[in-house]
Amino acid sequence: GQNIDQPTEMTATEGAIVQINCTYQTSGFNGLFWYQQHAGEAPTFLSYNVLDGLEEKGRFSSFLSRSKGYSYLLLKELQMKDSASYLCAVADSNYQLIWGAGTKLIIKP
Amino acid sequence: IAGITQAPTSQILAAGRRMTLRCTQDMRHNAMYWYRQDLGLGLRLIHYSNTAGTTGKGEVPDGYSVSRANTDDFPLTLASAVPSQTSVYFCASSDSSGGDTGELFFGEGSRLTVL
Repeated sequence: GQNIDQPTEMTATEGAIVQINCTYQTSGFNGLFWYQQHAGEAPTFLSYNVLDGLEEKGRFSSFLSRSKGYSYLLLKELQMKDSASYLCAVADSNYQLIWGAGTKLIIKP
Repeated sequence: IAGITQAPTSQILAAGRRMTLRCTQDMRHNAMYWYRQDLGLGLRLIHYSNTAGTTGKGEVPDGYSVSRANTDDFPLTLASAVPSQTSVYFCASSDSSGGDTGELFFGEGSRLTVL
């Protein structure tokens, strides 16, 4: 079966750095996405990785290792507004997205 | 800039009733999707449409139907609602062109409660 695993919840301090991990087992791979979802709102796109390595976009970076079936989202200089759920999704061989359950990130002052 | 509009935002429905969730996008995206989101689970694809006039089944299609008469609209119908269909429903679109998965743009969601 296809599976995406990510921690259910994480807590971090304002101004710090946090890494949210995602491991996946899918039938084929056509890219990995990270989305941010604030409570009661729609998911919004953060990043896309299809090749191994690190993609940096401001305070957010996303890393991919296809051989390990592993990705992480790195958030630097955490702000209170970063409190949200972070969703990992993988496009399988049919380009259908398989979603993880999401990681709820709690930022404390 | 509207993007994707869903209606209604929230609805309480008696079991056995028919319900249509509306979704309209103004970005001229080819592909549209309906997902449901339940606590503790990832987004699950109900139905999708790669282009106007075509639809396909996703992971959890039973009890739901869709149509894609034109590019902009993609309504989701529950023919006879059951309590297990209580969920938050998200419509999404992408500018994908077959064989590609582009960034998804989501509507604000429709919270449906079936009693």
